[in-house]
Amino acid sequence: DVKVTQSSRYLVKRTGEKVFLECVQDMDHENMFWYRQDPGLGLRLIYFSYDVKMKEKGDIPEGYSVSREKKERFSLILESASTNQTSMYLCASSLAGPATNEKLFFGSGTQLSVL
Amino acid sequence: DAKTTQPPSMDCAEGRAANLPCNHSTISGNEYVYWYRQIHSQGPQYIIHGLKNNETNEMASLIITEDRKSSTLILPHATLRDTAVYYCIVRVAMVTNAGKSTFGDGTTLTVKP
Repeated sequence: DVKVTQSSRYLVKRTGEKVFLECVQDMDHENMFWYRQDPGLGLRLIYFSYDVKMKEKGDIPEGYSVSREKKERFSLILESASTNQTSMYLCASSLAGPATNEKLFFGSGTQLSVL
Repeated sequence: DAKTTQPPSMDCAEGRAANLPCNHSTISGNEYVYWYRQIHSQGPQYIIHGLKNNETNEMASLIITEDRKSSTLILPHATLRDTAVYYCIVRVAMVTNAGKSTFGDGTTLTVKP
């Protein structure tokens, strides 16, 4: 089974801090994604990457950046955390291909609270 | 992407089959149907997907109508652990726009003892 591991289940940070969320997948997937999930707003794509060192903006990239130096690792960076970035963050990966691009495997999520 | 319509909630008795419908009347020929579920406080879990043929795996069966305008996810013997929100998504994904699936409100399935 594909395993997508997120570094922290719960995280509490202060406003203005730089925050790193790490995600590692063990199935050699080309595609990796970062989402946030908020009540009433569903799942929203922040950034995705379809190859090492490649990144594409999703629907809500403002205030975030990403890094993909190795195929298995995709990091989400909050440059200066703000209270409106309090959310559940979900990482996902998928195998490249017309049917499998959207066959997403998710991590357990990181609940980030910015105080 | 084609719009999908799902009932907001359904109940099912434990041990019985759960049949979750999804309407996607505007689906185009190269769009796949994907099903995910999300148990409270966990990340979504992939269940199954198909293009036009019926599909079965260890978790569920997917029945797609001949005109492809609707589909049904079948959990053959529902257990209490199947209580979750189930999402039906229709997408054709090229690598440059992958991951932009819209997880809408889905169907909240409650399996009762």
